[in-house]
Amino acid sequence: DQQVKQNSPSLSVQEGRISILNCDYTNSMFDYFLWYKKYPAEGPTFLISISSIKDKNEDGRFTVFLNKSAKHLSLHIVPSQPGDSAVYFCAATGSYQLTFGKGTKLSVIP
Amino acid sequence: DTAVSQTPKYLVTQMGNDKSIKCEQNLGHDTMYWYKQDSKKFLKIMFSYNNKELIINETVPNRFSPKSPDKAHLNLHINSLELGDSAVYFCASSQGLGLTGTYGYTFGSGTRLTVV
Repeated sequence: DQQVKQNSPSLSVQEGRISILNCDYTNSMFDYFLWYKKYPAEGPTFLISISSIKDKNEDGRFTVFLNKSAKHLSLHIVPSQPGDSAVYFCAATGSYQLTFGKGTKLSVIP
Repeated sequence: DTAVSQTPKYLVTQMGNDKSIKCEQNLGHDTMYWYKQDSKKFLKIMFSYNNKELIINETVPNRFSPKSPDKAHLNLHINSLELGDSAVYFCASSQGLGLTGTYGYTFGSGTRLTVV
């Protein structure tokens, strides 16, 4: 039972363009959402988060959008850089336990 | 200075053996976790300890036993290893039980366990 779904296992984007990573969730109790970035042979690192009382949160080149009615969130990276190439995990929580999606591998092509 | 460190980074062992993975955090966090990333790439929680007390114990075989000697350490001991235990195991820590308004977890770099 996947409560957090990232349906695109991979995404390729040209350097300088926008990267859009999508995430859907099914649990209505989730009220806080996070994005993690993971490089090979490293642990996931926190990128950006959003509370369910907001619909947008921005941090530099990274923006997360939340559509509660659709139970959907997305991460926008503008402009994309080769160093952004990594696996991005969407995570959600309604308590103190994070539930992760399977991740989307982003490749930014120079 | 690594915030959450796991040892070993790689572990290859035979079926039936008993092995331990160690985790230490120097962030002063009071909650620590073990996650398993299987071949399908899912990150699934296994255990969580808050102030050395077990608070999450997901459906994990009894062969897996976490031990938290103090707030800064959460070790994972696995008995009678099976082929299906092969995965990457991540340790993580956080401050408090609530994640709202925090940066979520700080993860270690993972331990790749291969059972042959």
